[in-house]
Order: sequence, then structure tokens, then C-alpha cells
Amino acid sequence: QVQLVQSGTEVKKPGASVKVSCQASGYPLTSYYIHWVRQAPGQGLEWLGLINPSSGGGPIYAQTFQGRVTMTADTSTSTVYMELSSLRSEDTAVYYCARARLRAAGPFDFWGQGTLVTVSS
Amino acid sequence: DIQMTQSPSTLSASVGDRVTITCRASQNINNWLAWYQQKPGKAPNLLIYKASTLESGVPSRFSGSGSGTEFTLTISSLQPDDFATYYCQQFSSYSPSFGQGTRVEIK
Repeated sequence: QVQLVQSGTEVKKPGASVKVSCQASGYPLTSYYIHWVRQAPGQGLEWLGLINPSSGGGPIYAQTFQGRVTMTADTSTSTVYMELSSLRSEDTAVYYCARARLRAAGPFDFWGQGTLVTVSS
Repeated sequence: DIQMTQSPSTLSASVGDRVTITCRASQNINNWLAWYQQKPGKAPNLLIYKASTLESGVPSRFSGSGSGTEFTLTISSLQPDDFATYYCQQFSSYSPSFGQGTRVEIK
């Protein structure tokens, strides 16, 4: 069965970077786009960007995160990574990876379990 | 970027009620719209895509309609398991975006 399994909870200091992984199983990683979405405590869903694991072309990032986010894929381990730099307290959130099924941009039919990233001094 | 606006933000209802949530896009997205249900501490769950197509395994009391810029999610008879937060999402462009969410709570 399709699963996206994310890495565990992270606690970081302001100014640091965090790298979250998302390992896919049950389907070929290269067949679907992967997106990253975050949710701050008590807030809604915010899109960070997408990556096409099969493409040599670049990922697409939300303008809000341009220059701070990097998404990569390792097809040998079926794993996608999201790195966010220059962390600030407002980046405290649960970060999800999700698979886009029908089009490059969605809908998201499978989600990871979420990774809590806490930014605190 | 395409902005998605949901209403209401919170909805109080009773078991058995018919519930309707509205989502408006800032520009034409054809029918490239999805609805998700999210419960506390869990990832969102896909309910409907392409505005009106029910995802496999989702109960038939959920339905979606609309096209262009106006969309609705309807729950025909609210069940105890349906108390949750619902989000719409456009996937028309390479920059998908979500509505702010509608919390359905017990009246």
C-alpha cells in the first residue's frame, strides 16, 4: 500500500536550518509529484512547494519561501527532502509531504504523518 | 497567485443536519478543486476532487459542486465522525492554494 513516512520531530534554534525527509513506498517515486505543506499551531494549511522526483528540472517554490527552502529527491532510496533555512519562531509548524495524483499540483491523495518542527531559543 | 476564500469559518450543527460549505476562487479554476477533511493531530484526508468526484472510500453523504470560481461541499446528513475541519484547495496552477478552513462543531 502507498505510504509516505516522514522523519521525526525537530527542535531548532532561530537562524538554524532543518531538513525533513519523506520516504515513499508502495509506488514508484518518480511517477508522481511530491508537495510540502505546513500547518502552524491552530492555523490552516500553507503550501511550500513541489518537486518532480523524475525530472532534471528545478522544483517550484512558493514565493513566500523563495531563497529559504530547498527540495531534493533521492530516487535510489525513494526519499524526498525539504530543507528550510534561517528559521524563525514563525516557522514552528507541522510539515507534511503529500503526493499529487491527477495533475502536477494535485489533488493530494496520500500524505505523510507530519513532522513537528519547533523553533525556539 | 490564486486566493481561496471559504465560508463560514465555523459552523455549528447537529447530527443529521444538512451542511453546506462554500469556497470561492479569486479567478477561474475550471473544476480543479479538491476538498479535504482534517481531524486534530492528523494529516488532511482527500474527500472530493475535480469539484465533484468522490474519492474512493468516502461516504456518499459527501458531495461537491461548482465550477469556475464558486464551489460547495455538502454533507447530506451530518454524522458524529464528520465533526472536523474542512479545507478547499485549488490545483489549477503550479502554485496550489488552500482556503482558510471551516470548522464544523457540535451544536
